[in-house]
Amino acid sequence: EAQVTQNPRYLITVTGKKLTVTCSQNMNHEYMSWYRQDPGLGLRQIYYSMNVEVTDKGDVPEGYKVSRKEKRNFPLILESPSPNQTSLYFCASSFRSGTGRETQYFGPGTRLLVL
Amino acid sequence: AQSVTQLDSQVPVFEEAPVELRCNYSSSVSVYLFWYVQYPNQGLQLLLKYLSGSTLVKGINGFEAEFNKSQTSFHLRKPSVHISDTAEYFCAVSVNAGGTSYGKLTFGQGTILTVHP
Repeated sequence: EAQVTQNPRYLITVTGKKLTVTCSQNMNHEYMSWYRQDPGLGLRQIYYSMNVEVTDKGDVPEGYKVSRKEKRNFPLILESPSPNQTSLYFCASSFRSGTGRETQYFGPGTRLLVL
Repeated sequence: AQSVTQLDSQVPVFEEAPVELRCNYSSSVSVYLFWYVQYPNQGLQLLLKYLSGSTLVKGINGFEAEFNKSQTSFHLRKPSVHISDTAEYFCAVSVNAGGTSYGKLTFGQGTILTVHP
């Protein structure tokens, strides 16, 4: 089954304790992205990756890091989480055809609470 | 840079009534347009997308949307809603750069559709 998986699905942590949210896709997609969802703000892109070892900042990258060492995985790293990073996080991947007709597939989400 | 505005944060409607969720976008280049739905406590699911061709796009669950380039709008419609359509709906755009896209989606703020019996 084609899917995007995220782990953990729920996480409560404390300020300053480094954490990693994993994302994996089994569709051989080139593109992967991380978004955060906050009430009234919709989804905002944190980082995206066009391919292995190619990453770039989205609209709200501060406080986050990513890496893309393998095509299927795109972990999101919070080196020193703060309460304003409490949010619902979504990973997404997409296929880029020769005509650019892409659809983004979203993971189930990770709900993070930083105390 | 592109931006998306969903004109209504909440839309209440009775079951079997028609509904329209409004979306306007701003971009200096041509765009691809999408509508996603998020059911309570779930991830996002693609409803429909406009890439090129016919401006009337049909999606899943009886939804359709019309791309209006002159008004920079992409409103979502359904002629008769069901209780099960209660969800949050997001309009999104990505840049069409010479027929390719760079994977970045810009989302609107979301519209919560509540269908009442």
